[in-house]
Amino acid sequence: DTEVTQTPKHLVMGMTNKKSLKCEQHMGHRAMYWYKQKAKKPPELMFVYSYEKLSINESVPSRFSPECPNSSLLNLHLHALQPEDSALYLCASSQLVTSGGYTFGSGTRLTVV
Amino acid sequence: AQTVTQSQPEMSVQEAETVTLSCTYDTSESDYYLFWYKQPPSRQMILVIRQEAYKQQNATENRFSVNFQKAAKSFSLKISDSQLGDAAMYFCAYRVPGANSKLTFGKGITLSVRP
Repeated sequence: DTEVTQTPKHLVMGMTNKKSLKCEQHMGHRAMYWYKQKAKKPPELMFVYSYEKLSINESVPSRFSPECPNSSLLNLHLHALQPEDSALYLCASSQLVTSGGYTFGSGTRLTVV
Repeated sequence: AQTVTQSQPEMSVQEAETVTLSCTYDTSESDYYLFWYKQPPSRQMILVIRQEAYKQQNATENRFSVNFQKAAKSFSLKISDSQLGDAAMYFCAYRVPGANSKLTFGKGITLSVRP
């Protein structure tokens, strides 16, 4: 298995809703990442997990809450989002100490209404 | 701080022709990795090619090759025999080794392929 699987592919949520994005990989990668991407822009790093521990938080608002229950799974919990949070959310994984690039999922297109 | 610059926002190429996408970067590190990612309208970021800075030989993957000029800090991507499926946004990216290293992206370039 050489894929990163993200669900759902599309999500529409109201500003008072609570929802979660899910990311799964079975490549044995011990680093996992959440990125946010606006249209025609590069991805922006949000969080990095190494060995299931949060190692980098790029000053992301607390309405985004990451969770790494095990080495294969990464969640992003969403609460009280704003319309400007509408974007493509990409999950990625990588080996920690090799030269490999990241393997990305196909993303969740989030719309906040 | 490391930066990656892609100065051309858009390019167009005729099908079957060759096109070169430019990328420059700035770093004080001696050991690092460079990547080109492709993002078609399907949204998935696909790794096209990677280059280790310590290797002098330019990386090649089928129709894709790079011109890596370490002293000039330049990393361009050449696409030969362009196909309609090559139409996408292309991002140049940089990373240093290490557990908490971050992948730094350029702004990207939109490539269109004319039939």
